[in-house]
Amino acid sequence: DIQMTQSPSSLSASVGDRVTIACRASQSVSSYLNWYQQKTGKAPKLLIYAASSLQSGVPSRFSGSGSGTDFTLTISSLQPEDFATYYCQQSYSAPLTFGGGTKVGIK
Amino acid sequence: QVQLQESGPGLVKPSGTLSLTCAVSGGSISSSNWWSWVRQPPGKGLEWVGEIYNSESTTYNPSLRSRATISVVKSRNQFSLNLSSVTAADTAVYYCARGRGAGYNYWGQGTLVTVSS
Repeated sequence: DIQMTQSPSSLSASVGDRVTIACRASQSVSSYLNWYQQKTGKAPKLLIYAASSLQSGVPSRFSGSGSGTDFTLTISSLQPEDFATYYCQQSYSAPLTFGGGTKVGIK
Repeated sequence: QVQLQESGPGLVKPSGTLSLTCAVSGGSISSSNWWSWVRQPPGKGLEWVGEIYNSESTTYNPSLRSRATISVVKSRNQFSLNLSSVTAADTAVYYCARGRGAGYNYWGQGTLVTVSS
C-alpha cells in the first residue's frame, strides 16, 4: 500500500493568512493526488485533482502543486469558511489511500 | 447534477453483516464510472473500502480481509456494500462516492453504522 503522510496534523491561522499543507507519498504517485476539505458532520469536498487542477466551483485562493512523492496545498488568503480539515488522497493505485488529515483552526 | 444517497441499518450486531445501499440520481449507474465506498470512524480519518467499475469489476481494501462485497443493481440505479463478520472496529460513517483517478467529485451525505450488541 502507498502511505500518505500529511504535515502538520493541525495548525492555527488567522483570516487573511497564507496556509500551506504538505503531503508526502511513500512511493511515486505521479500526479494522481487529490485534495479534499471536510467540515464537521459533512462529506468531504473535492478541491484539487491531479495535483494542481482546481475543481469546478472551488475558489481560486486554493491551489495545489507537486508531483511524484511531494505535494502541497496552499490557501493564499484564509477565509472564515476555510476552517476545516483537509485530506490528501492518492488515486494512482489500489488501495486508494488518504493522508491523516490537517485540521486548520482559528488562531 | 448527480446525487448520491446512502441508506441502511444504523445498528448492526457483532459478527453480523453490514448492508448499505447507495441510490444514484441524475445519472446512470451503468455509465462508465467508478462507484466507491469510503468510511470514517468517529473522530478519525478517511479509509477507502472499495470500488466497482462498469458494474462488474471490483477492488477492495486488503485490510478488510475479504469481508467486503460491492455490487450494482442496475434496475434500481444503485450500488451496495456488504461487510461481513463485523466488529466494533467497523463502526464508522460510511460514504458512497463517484470518481477515481481525478478524485471523488460526488459524495453521499454519509450514514453512521454502529456495531454493538
